[in-house]
Amino acid sequence: EVQLVESGGGLVKPGGSLRLSCAASGFTFSSFSLNWVRQAPGKGLEWVSSISTSGNYIYYADSLKGRCTISRDNARNSLYLEMNSLRAEDTAVYYCARERYGDLDYWGQGTLVTVSS
Amino acid sequence: EIVMTQSPATLSVSPGEGATLSCRASQSISSNLAWYQQKPGQAPRLLIYSASTRATGIPARFSGSGSGTEFTLTISSLQSEDFAVYYCQQYNNRPPWTFGQGTKVEIK
Repeated sequence: EVQLVESGGGLVKPGGSLRLSCAASGFTFSSFSLNWVRQAPGKGLEWVSSISTSGNYIYYADSLKGRCTISRDNARNSLYLEMNSLRAEDTAVYYCARERYGDLDYWGQGTLVTVSS
Repeated sequence: EIVMTQSPATLSVSPGEGATLSCRASQSISSNLAWYQQKPGQAPRLLIYSASTRATGIPARFSGSGSGTEFTLTISSLQSEDFAVYYCQQYNNRPPWTFGQGTKVEIK
């Protein structure tokens, strides 16, 4: 069974930093690109970042470019998102999602990031 | 960036009735479109990919159609578990992957 489990969310002050993790199981982790997607409270889905199988291709949404870094450890079946200079508008549930052919076929349950003083 | 526009924002439907949700792309995306269902407090779930192919385990009452810029998700006979928010997403021109703003299907 494919499982994606996010962790690392929490309350952080504006300007602070946070590192999110996503632990994967039930599939060949190194064979799939992975994405982070976020959802602000009561709002829709917003794509955040994508990383290819080997990490050679990395993309970011303009809203977070320069403030976050996506990475993966294929030996540990883990995906990461480091975020800094956090703002109130970054408050959201952050999901990791497995990418198939561009569609996102499996999602984790999400981890909540709250940016507030 | 391709903008995805869904309509209507809210659809009120009685159980057992059908529902038709629309999604429009600001430029052609061929058939590179997915539909997701999201229930309160849950992660999105993939329903349809390649505009019309049901994902694993998705009931046959869900169907997708369209290509180019106009797409439709049809639910043939709504069950209680189908009341949720539905999002379309394009993956033809990426990055960025872009989602529609969602259509909420509520009980009438």
